[in-house]
Amino acid sequence: DVKVTQSSRYLVKRTGEKVFLECVQDMDHENMFWYRQDPGLGLRLIYFSYDVKMKEKGDIPEGYSVSREKKERFSLILESASTNQTSMYLCASSTNGWAGGNTIYFGEGSWLTVV
Amino acid sequence: RKEVEQDPGPFNVPEGATVAFNCTYSNSASQSFFWYRQDCRKEPKLLMSVYSSGNEDGRFTAQLNRASQYISLLIRDSKLSDSATYLCVVSLSGGYNKLIFGAGTRLAVHP
Repeated sequence: DVKVTQSSRYLVKRTGEKVFLECVQDMDHENMFWYRQDPGLGLRLIYFSYDVKMKEKGDIPEGYSVSREKKERFSLILESASTNQTSMYLCASSTNGWAGGNTIYFGEGSWLTVV
Repeated sequence: RKEVEQDPGPFNVPEGATVAFNCTYSNSASQSFFWYRQDCRKEPKLLMSVYSSGNEDGRFTAQLNRASQYISLLIRDSKLSDSATYLCVVSLSGGYNKLIFGAGTRLAVHP
């Protein structure tokens, strides 16, 4: 089975802290994504990467950065956490080819609370 | 205007009922369409793709109307286990599987 693993499921951080969210996939997928999900807003794309060391801004990149040094790992970084970044963060991966939803896989999510 | 709009619900229905969810999308360049299911505090999982001719998977039927930019999901003979949030998702042309998610419609099936 495809596995997308988010190492931290629940985190509580203080305002101003630097936060790292790690994601690893085991299917050799080219594409990886970071979304956040908030009530009433759905999933919003923060950043995505289509290759090692490549990254593209999504719809809401402000306050975030990413790192993809290895194909299987995609990290989301909050340089200085703020309370409006309290959310559930979802990592996903997919193969290239037909832009089909049947090839995108999500991790279980990371619940971040910034106090 | 949101790119993908759904009625947030909740839809509260008894077991055995038929329930329909609707979704509209704003970008006419949208290429692919899906319904995802998300259980409480879990990740979204693909329920079914939506094809222009309409498609069925057991108790679930999906329809697409490109002219009206409208997608629907029909669930027949609802089960308690169908209780979840249903996300309408569209994929824009341009690759990289960029998916645009609706905020979801919550379904609660009661005995």
